[in-house]
Amino acid sequence: GAVVSQHPSWVICKSGTSVKIECRSLDFQATTMFWYRQFPKQSLMLMATSNEGSKATYEQGVEKDKFLINHASLTLSTLTVTSAHPEDSSFYICSASPARPDTQYFGPGTRLTVL
Amino acid sequence: AQSVTQLGSHVSVSEGALVLLRCNYSSSVPPYLFWYVQYPNQGLQLLLKYTSAATLVKGINGFEAEFKKSETSFHLTKPSAHMSDAAEYFCAVKFSGNTGKLIFGQGTTLQVKP
Repeated sequence: GAVVSQHPSWVICKSGTSVKIECRSLDFQATTMFWYRQFPKQSLMLMATSNEGSKATYEQGVEKDKFLINHASLTLSTLTVTSAHPEDSSFYICSASPARPDTQYFGPGTRLTVL
Repeated sequence: AQSVTQLGSHVSVSEGALVLLRCNYSSSVPPYLFWYVQYPNQGLQLLLKYTSAATLVKGINGFEAEFKKSETSFHLTKPSAHMSDAAEYFCAVKFSGNTGKLIFGQGTTLQVKP
């Protein structure tokens, strides 16, 4: 149980284009989803927290207009990187928590490369 | 300020030897504590968690961790390392009062030598 999927697993795009990453909880309802960014050999950096049906809460320093988060249902959250640039290249990981957010279950991550 | 620290960014052990990965937190109130493992180019897998029940927590793959309030520690151990244990390990803390947000340690790379 507690499986979280991400799609795509990797994506390469040109500078200036937008990329959407999906995060789905497959066997539970996720009232809260989290989006992280991870640079090589580094820890996870929380970007934002999203609750179903409400606006995401962004961490300090994260541009909300660049990283658009939508939590449309209890099983789906999306992260859209708008007007991507090479510095946005990174490993993006989502996680999901059920109604009692004691534990976060992580997706397999999405490798974004912006050329 | 609330924080979590993993001592040692890189730990190397021989196959069959004891694994000890250290994690300390800074908080006046005991938080929820987690250990996650990450294999290359993958997401994080939950190894175990402490949520104020038993102080000795057993997880998957033979790992366990002991919560010690007096030392504000939650070190991860495994009696006998396997080659397949080589990975990145993250200690994470959820402090009371926030909305489930986790704070991660810097991570420890475990190398297992044959």
